[in-house]
Amino acid sequence: QSVLTQPPSASGTPGQRVTISCSGSGSNIGNSYVYWYQQLPGTAPKLLIYRNDQRPSGVPDRFSGSKSGTSASLAISGLRSEDEADYHCASWEHSLSAVVFGGGTKLTVL
Amino acid sequence: QVQLRESGPGLVKPSETLSLTCTVSGGSVISGSYYWNWIRQSPGEGLVWIGYVYYSGSTTYNPSLKSRVTISLDTSMNQFSLKLTSATDADTAVYFCVRSYSLGHFDYWGQGALVTVS
Repeated sequence: QSVLTQPPSASGTPGQRVTISCSGSGSNIGNSYVYWYQQLPGTAPKLLIYRNDQRPSGVPDRFSGSKSGTSASLAISGLRSEDEADYHCASWEHSLSAVVFGGGTKLTVL
Repeated sequence: QVQLRESGPGLVKPSETLSLTCTVSGGSVISGSYYWNWIRQSPGEGLVWIGYVYYSGSTTYNPSLKSRVTISLDTSMNQFSLKLTSATDADTAVYFCVRSYSLGHFDYWGQGALVTVS
């Protein structure tokens, strides 16, 4: 059971906007940055969002991150078929002195 | 461009030690104040952070694995390594070596190495 809670699945049609949630507590998300990773099938994860809402260069602005209190969200607008992937959130857990991940959300583009 | 590549046995017997090495190219493991991490992913499961070795050589491990894990730097080879003792089938996973700019900020990943404990 993961410290951070994500829905196991999400879906949308091309062009739609979808959001993926990541719920934590005051000892992780509430007092730490949140990071988001995209993992295409059979590949290593790729950094998508850092420090809650920052995009690395090369990541399309269709991807955006936000954080409020002990929860965070990843939004994908203008959904494309190539966005079909697993999405993972991560944060620092102060009580464990460890990086913790959510269980991952499998996004299906219908 | 920094690149990381995992290497090591793909099959480990139960109770033996799982050992992997990560070779870093395009950058030095002792420059830039980076953390050098190991992360694993069991089949069909989420990501689990195992621990890191800092460029200075200091380490921090996931408490759930701490008693069995050692991560170390080999500066002469520009590598870092993972040793996980007393392996069980629960340790079967794809193991990724990863650079991080700060805690949680994983910017460069290896392709991953599948290790089966059987």
